[in-house]
Amino acid sequence: KAGVTQTPRYLIKTRGQQVTLSCSPISGHRSVSWYQQTPGQGLQFLFEYFSETQRNKGNFPGRFSGRQFSNSRSEMNVSTLELGDSALYLCASSLLPRDMNTEAFFGQGTRLTVV
Amino acid sequence: QQPVQSPQAVILREGEDAVINCSSSKALYSVHWYRQKHGEAPVFLMILLKGGEQKGHDKISASFNEKKQQSSLYLTASQLSYSGTYFCGTEMGGGTSYGKLTFGQGTILTVHP
Repeated sequence: KAGVTQTPRYLIKTRGQQVTLSCSPISGHRSVSWYQQTPGQGLQFLFEYFSETQRNKGNFPGRFSGRQFSNSRSEMNVSTLELGDSALYLCASSLLPRDMNTEAFFGQGTRLTVV
Repeated sequence: QQPVQSPQAVILREGEDAVINCSSSKALYSVHWYRQKHGEAPVFLMILLKGGEQKGHDKISASFNEKKQQSSLYLTASQLSYSGTYFCGTEMGGGTSYGKLTFGQGTILTVHP
């Protein structure tokens, strides 16, 4: 069974640009959650999608957005990039919505560097 | 509100035991534990729910004290493979808080031969 796949693995962008990250969940999983991981702030929840609907959102500015497609693949978009957006972006998939407390499987992450 | 993990780091020899604590100032609905090795994805260890239900792996044990809003992860007879950073994620529950995990800063566990 294939795990969670995130693409690309590494990305370098310039301030002001926008970026789109992709996450393919484990086959059959319909929930995808996104997290930002930095040395200073640790792991922070961005949002969760289940069956193409955003179920929950963390405390991030509107520059951070996401969507989920009918095949459960999810994309995360960050517009007008800032230096502080440099981080490891992780997505996690689970069979059921996260509020049903199911095990979540993380992908390897996308390392975004903003210069 | 970010939960507080203690200790921040611990060094063990193989076979020794360790306890990692996770405390919150808010009433919790659930606590989730993950381990992350350097350069790898976090791996699920356990979920503890208010009311006593637990979901996790057989070789990992943990407790959830609802009165103290504290969870502890017990690592017994440690192996080299236990090395990594351990994160607790807390869920307050209620309204839009369900499913929204807030993670602690992590505890770095190093096991030496």
